[in-house]
Amino acid sequence: DIQMTQSPSSLSASVGDRVTITCQASQDISNYLNWYQQKPGKAPKLLIYDASNLETGVPSRFSGSGSGTDFTFTISSLQPEDIATYYCQQYDNLLTFGPGTKVDIK
Amino acid sequence: QVQLQESGPGLVKPSETLSLTCTVSGGSISSYYWSWIRQPAGKGLEWIGRIYTSGSTNYNPSLKSRVTMSVDTSKNQFSLKLSSVTAADTAVYYCAGPVGWGQGTLVTVSS
Repeated sequence: DIQMTQSPSSLSASVGDRVTITCQASQDISNYLNWYQQKPGKAPKLLIYDASNLETGVPSRFSGSGSGTDFTFTISSLQPEDIATYYCQQYDNLLTFGPGTKVDIK
Repeated sequence: QVQLQESGPGLVKPSETLSLTCTVSGGSISSYYWSWIRQPAGKGLEWIGRIYTSGSTNYNPSLKSRVTMSVDTSKNQFSLKLSSVTAADTAVYYCAGPVGWGQGTLVTVSS
């Protein structure tokens, strides 16, 4: 089984700050990684696929990078509507989600 | 616009079988993988398994012994059965595919 870890588990930042979340896979998953945003009471929404490709309609302040085992998700300028929990998910071998990172406003 | 909608009982007794159906509307279910994911209250996402429209399945190893998925392409539906449920199976259950997720349905396991 491929295990996914994320850090930090939560963070507080100010509006306009750059926010970075990291995700690590227990083995090489190439670029088979998605990033999701989940707001309370809602289904997750796909933001980034194939590690670095922005889903259609997603604001350009969101970005992703990495390959192999180490990945990064960045919000270049945090907005109030970005308050949510963010999950990475690998799809190289079956599917596995990371534990999530809760982002809120300081 | 393709939409997914989960349906099924919101309350299941311990030791019984949880059964859910996902209806895909606004597009064809054919030629894709369709997944079930669950989320206990206040916790993270757990992938349960997926089914291809040919009927081929892959399950989470931790749930494999209790999970059965099926697909009915004539109805544009796919289904989940989870047997021998306990309180630990209480969660919001989502169906998901290449075009998005359903809104989720809460299933509570309780007598």
